[in-house]
Amino acid sequence: NAGVMQNPRHLVRRRGQEARLRCSPMKGHSHVYWYRQLPEEGLKFMVYLQKENIIDESGMPKERFSAEFPKEGPSILRIQQVVRGDSAAYFCASSFEWQGSGANVLTFGAGSRLTVL
Amino acid sequence: AQKITQTQPGMFVQEKEAVTLDCTYDTSDPSYGLFWYKQPSSGEMIFLIYQGSYDQQNATEGRYSLNFQKARKSANLVISASQLGDSAMYFCAMRDWGGSEKLVFGKGTKLTVNP
Repeated sequence: NAGVMQNPRHLVRRRGQEARLRCSPMKGHSHVYWYRQLPEEGLKFMVYLQKENIIDESGMPKERFSAEFPKEGPSILRIQQVVRGDSAAYFCASSFEWQGSGANVLTFGAGSRLTVL
Repeated sequence: AQKITQTQPGMFVQEKEAVTLDCTYDTSDPSYGLFWYKQPSSGEMIFLIYQGSYDQQNATEGRYSLNFQKARKSANLVISASQLGDSAMYFCAMRDWGGSEKLVFGKGTKLTVNP
């Protein structure tokens, strides 16, 4: 997972503030996935993006959450007016082909841990 | 809808012994992939092993093997010769190749390796 870079690793916000999480996929990759992990839970899909395009946002909350992946620069997951329930680990991933199988495997970044006070 | 079930919240194993972590899945798609990830206390997600639904043989990667029983819809992870560094959360996940790109995860099993 060393190839997917996320920052910040830890972010603390007060209720009502904005949180911005950044992700740079593996070199040469133009697609990213965002997942959220609530305490004591597995990861849940949020959004799948390619450069300048959202492919699948079916896992994104309808309000306050947005994601983008501009032509230049990292992908950004933005959470406006954060609430305590947004406290979670947010993971970004890009995919690679597993041993010539044709199957795409997700490799994750180290995650960004958001704490809302 | 896809679903992953991991029924063991916690497992304990003695160092150097083998351990099996259970995973059952549900999908209506005939073409799918099954994955196992390890999450140590440091928090990162580490890919361990992959099994395709059409693969004839069980996947193996070093000390990890996947006991794939298609008819029972189970994909258990077997770790042989456990090491202290294997202590972590383990997540089973699946993905329908005919559908979206989403991975669906189970709730995980916490493995503790005792010296």
